[in-house]
Parts: sequence; structure tokens; C-alpha cells
Amino acid sequence: SQTIHQWPATLVQPVGSPLSLECTVEGTSNPNLYWYRQAAGRGLQLLFYSVGIGQISSEVPQNLSASRPQDRQFILSSKKLLLSDSGFYLCAWSVGGAGETQYFGPGTRLLVL
Amino acid sequence: AQSVTQLGSHVSVSEGALVLLRCNYSSSVPPYLFWYVQYPNQGLQLLLKYTTGATLVKGINGFEAEFKKSETSFHLTEPSAHMSDAAEYFCAVSARGTASKLTFGTGTRLQVTL
Repeated sequence: SQTIHQWPATLVQPVGSPLSLECTVEGTSNPNLYWYRQAAGRGLQLLFYSVGIGQISSEVPQNLSASRPQDRQFILSSKKLLLSDSGFYLCAWSVGGAGETQYFGPGTRLLVL
Repeated sequence: AQSVTQLGSHVSVSEGALVLLRCNYSSSVPPYLFWYVQYPNQGLQLLLKYTTGATLVKGINGFEAEFKKSETSFHLTEPSAHMSDAAEYFCAVSARGTASKLTFGTGTRLQVTL
């Protein structure tokens, strides 16, 4: 069966520090991978998605970047965190095209102080 | 561009009562429609989805939703609320013919009281 892992579960970082959040998927090949951010009182916002190694699409301009160095690994990064980067970050995967279910990881709660 | 509107950020029902969570979408063509549930400090879990075929879709935990094209709606219902249903519920859409990118509503927090 497929599983998705995210770490760390919780992170407290000072403003201006770098960030690296990791997501890995097991039990499937060539998944589509997604990063979402959930801010307090707001819905989920799609940040990045990837349909293959090295293929990253950015949905919104921001202080973050994403990379996919391996088929089942998706990394969210920042060189300098802002207060507004605080939130709950969720990774998800799917296979196939539109209409296919996305499966979400447990999330990383990031607090920037 | 697509959008999703969930009316009511908070809904409170008594245990055993009907649950109705509203979702309306805006899209040039009927999209794929999803309902996800999120328990505290967890990721999202799919409740049900509509892609094609029968417009009344049944999901897990007794939930169901009906796609009404004329009303651009996909409301979620459960005949009898349980305490364990307390969570946040998200409606989402995905445009046809594209990668599976989801546009989410802002969510509805369901509270179930005794």
C-alpha cells in the first residue's frame, strides 16, 4: 500500500532563517506531487506541483521554492523565512490526471517568530 | 478560473441530527468535485468525489453529496451526526482535462453537541 511521510511534524524558526521540509511517498511510481499551505482561517492554497523529476510548477509568487530530486521525494525550501510563511504545510500525491484522488500527508506545522 | 464557496465557516448540530454542509462552485465547465475531512492536526482524508455518472455520490462514514449542475452545487449531507464527525470539511474542485490540481474552499468546521 502507498504511504506518504512528512517531516518534521512541527518546526519553530526565526525570521530570516532557511527552511527545508521534506515529503516522501512509498508504494507508487511516478506520482504527481503537491505542496499546499493552510493558513489560520483560510483554506488550502496550492503552492507547487510536480508531474516528474525536476518538473516544478509554481502556483503563486512567494518566498518559497520546491524541488523534486527523486521520483518520490518533494522538498519545500526557503532561503529566508518571513513571518507570513507560518502555517500548516501539507504534501499530497496522486497518479493519473484530473479527477484522480489526492492523498495527503500528516502535515508540518511551521511557526516563524 | 475556478472557485469554491463554502457557506458557513462553523456549523453546529446535535448528535443524531441531519448534517448539511454547503458547497457551490464557479467554473466554465462542470469540474470534478471532492469533499475532504480534516481532523485536528492531521492531513486531509477523502470523503467522496464526483467525476462522472450518478450525481448522488456516497462516501465513507455515511456521508453523501449530490452534484446539481443547474445550481452549481455539491452539498454534503449525513442523515445522523455522530460525535466523531466533529472536524473540518473542505470542498474542492479540479478542472477537467488538466493535472489533478485542486482548488479548495475555506472550509467548514462541524461541531456536534450532545
